[in-house]
Parts: sequence; C-alpha cells; structure tokens
Amino acid sequence: SQTIHQWPATLVQPVGSPLSLECTVEGTSNPNLYWYRQAAGRGLQLLFYSVGIGQISSEVPQNLSASRPQDRQFILSSKKLLLSDSGFYLCAWGGDAGNTIYFGEGSWLTVV
Amino acid sequence: GENVEQHPSTLSVQEGDSAVIKCTYSDSASNYFPWYKQELGKRPQLIIDIRSNVGEKKDQRIAVTLNKTAKHFSLHITETQPEDSAVYFCAASKGSSYKLIFGSGTRLLVRP
Repeated sequence: SQTIHQWPATLVQPVGSPLSLECTVEGTSNPNLYWYRQAAGRGLQLLFYSVGIGQISSEVPQNLSASRPQDRQFILSSKKLLLSDSGFYLCAWGGDAGNTIYFGEGSWLTVV
Repeated sequence: GENVEQHPSTLSVQEGDSAVIKCTYSDSASNYFPWYKQELGKRPQLIIDIRSNVGEKKDQRIAVTLNKTAKHFSLHITETQPEDSAVYFCAASKGSSYKLIFGSGTRLLVRP
C-alpha cells in the first residue's frame, strides 16, 4: 500500500533563516505531489503541485519554492523565512487527475 | 478557476442529532467531490467521496448528496457522536485538473 512521510514534524525557526521540508511517497510511481499550507484555524491553501520530476506549478506568489529531485520526493524550501510563513504544512500525493489526494502527517512551522 | 464555498463555518449539535454541511462549486465541469475530516492537530483524512454520475452515496452514518444542476453537494452525518467533532472540508476537482480545490472548512462540535 502507499504511504507518505514528511519531516520534520515540528520546527521553530527565526525570521530570515532558511527552510527545508521534505516529503517522500512509497508504494506508487509517478505520483502527483502537492504542498498545502494551513494557517491556524484556517483552510487549506495550495502552494505547489508537481506532475513529474522537475515539473513544479506554483499557485501563490511567495518567498517559498518547491523542488522534485526524484519521482517520489518533494521538497519545500525558503531562503529567508517571514513571520507570515508560520503554519501547518501538508504534503499530499494523488494518482490520476480528478481523483483523491492523501495527506502526510504535516509539519508545524513557527517562525519567531 | 474553480471556487468552492462551504457553509456553515461552525456547527454545534447535540449528541444523537444530525449535522448537515453544504458546499457549492462554480465550475460545471467538476466531477469529483471528496469530503475530508481533520481532527485537531492532525492531517485531513478522506471520509467519503462522490462522482458526478451518482446522486447520493452512503457509508454507515455519513452520506453525501450531489445536485449537479444547482452545483451543490452536502455532507450528512446522522446520530452524531462526540468523536465526530472535527473540522470538515469539502473539495471539488475535474478530470482534466490535478488540483483539488477545498472549501473553507466547517468546525463541527458535538455536545455530549
């Protein structure tokens, strides 16, 4: 069966520091991969999605970036964090277009 | 692009009563409508979904109905229990899109 893992689970970072969140999927090949952000008590905002290695679509202009160096690996990065980057970051994977996506455990980011 | 509106934003019911959450979507080409449940501090998890070729789907105490003409779909939870307390998200997508567009969420509280 398919599983998705992301890490770290929690992190506290100072303003201006870099960020790297990593996500991997097992048990499937060529998944569609997603990064969502959820501010405290708010909805799910799609940040990036990828349909293949090296293919990244950005949904919201911001100081974050994403990369997909391998088929089942998706990385969210920032060179300089802002206070507004705090939130719950969720990686997700899906199969064919127009189908369910499944979320990882999430990463809590607090920028101080 | 697709837009999904969800109501109400909060819902409080007595244990044993029914709860109904409603969503409307804007893109008539949307054909897949999942519902996710998110417990506090956890990842959203799929609880039920429906495709546009079906008007209703049931799974024990939960059911989803779809009205394609009016472009709205609803989640029905019967005989609510305290463990049903969570945030519920509706979503919509179409077969040509890799994006799942989420509603803003409904916080359901089931009072014992």
